[in-house]
Amino acid sequence: DAGVTQSPTHLIKTRGQQVTLRCSPKSGHDTVSWYQQALGQGPQFIFQYYEEEERQRGNFPDRFSGHQFPNYSSELNVNALLLGDSALYLCASSLGGGQYFGPGTRLTVL
Amino acid sequence: SQQGEEDPQALSIQEGENATMNCSYKTSINNLQWYRQNSGRGLVHLILIRSNEREKHSGRLRVTLDTSKKSSSLLITASRAADTASYFCATDQGGSEKLVFGKGTKLTVNP
Repeated sequence: DAGVTQSPTHLIKTRGQQVTLRCSPKSGHDTVSWYQQALGQGPQFIFQYYEEEERQRGNFPDRFSGHQFPNYSSELNVNALLLGDSALYLCASSLGGGQYFGPGTRLTVL
Repeated sequence: SQQGEEDPQALSIQEGENATMNCSYKTSINNLQWYRQNSGRGLVHLILIRSNEREKHSGRLRVTLDTSKKSSSLLITASRAADTASYFCATDQGGSEKLVFGKGTKLTVNP
């Protein structure tokens, strides 16, 4: 049973560029959440998708957007990248209970 | 904003000793979860305790929850060098599946 997978593992972008991160949830899970973790901090909630709709959103600007596909996989898009967007981006999946996290995507913005 | 606050921020112990980490939170919750993170990698789910539970065990882990004090503790017994990691508590917010994390406790277990 595969757990949560994310791609890519690492990514380097320059300011102003756009990036797309991908997540496949744990088998049987229908809800995907995205978190941003800056160095030395705990993860911060970005948004959550359920039934292909954004169900909740944290305190992140509109530059952060997402999508969920019919197979429950999800994408996180960030436009107009800023240096401060450099972080570990974590995807978590759930089915009404505990949330299970993927290994994360390390994004570096230069 | 961060809801959970872990205490201490850092903890260094010898192999075989017990490690206790505490977490305090601010709002009412449905459940509280503990996670482990090794060197900036993904979070590993350790245990979930519901608001109507007071104590839960999983292997060498023991979690307690005191909703009147809005606090939880994680006890790792007979620690091993492999337990070296950062530990986070995460709370939902009264029915929301959004998790709110603290800054974590960095545990170092010396061989």
